[in-house]
Amino acid sequence: GAGVSQSPSNKVTEKGKDVELRCDPISGHTALYWYRQSLGQGLEFLIYFQGNSAPDKSGLPSDRFSAERTGGSVSTLTIQRTQQEDSAVYLCASSPRWRQGMAGNTIYFGEGSWLTVV
Amino acid sequence: RKEVEQDPGPFNVPEGATVAFNCTYSNSASQSFFWYRQDCRKEPKLLMSVYSSGNEDGRFTAQLNRASQYISLLIRDSKLSDSATYLCVVRGYSGGGADGLTFGKGTHLIIQP
Repeated sequence: GAGVSQSPSNKVTEKGKDVELRCDPISGHTALYWYRQSLGQGLEFLIYFQGNSAPDKSGLPSDRFSAERTGGSVSTLTIQRTQQEDSAVYLCASSPRWRQGMAGNTIYFGEGSWLTVV
Repeated sequence: RKEVEQDPGPFNVPEGATVAFNCTYSNSASQSFFWYRQDCRKEPKLLMSVYSSGNEDGRFTAQLNRASQYISLLIRDSKLSDSATYLCVVRGYSGGGADGLTFGKGTHLIIQP
């Protein structure tokens, strides 16, 4: 598709269950990002993938969170043993590879996966 | 000092007025700057990039002041549809996390009829 595609759009899960969120980036974009946003709050960086390089996992809040990116394209964010504080919208974004000195290169977001843990 | 700081507002502005807000950044090595717009319960969307010489897109003008390390967004003849949260985004080759991208927490703008 033309934009970043995320699924599911909405997910309600019971506390303690595992969830998987999927992101399909813009075709040709080598960089893929996951962010989390709680209602009324700012964006919280989670993880970043660039091509075949090791991902930057510095934003993952706990070891219950993991993500993978297969074939340099689709990514899955997995949350194990969900807690109520995990309720948020999970935003995926992608961009072309950014190189130092390049101006104007930015990222494009999907519509997000709204997660509610009950 | 936070990496990217914005006044959260809300800014309540009458329709037709001009409104401006700033964003300050702490990393002097920052290379690229952007304004994003985020509507309630929607994803952030790129509004405009900010270039060194300043740039304009219709009613919107963005400026960069490297010496004082801030960027600004000016909206002229404001419309009801301009009501949103405006996010400042700074990108620099910091070697840190998130591919050098830092998002401000946003300025909430409400245009009143």
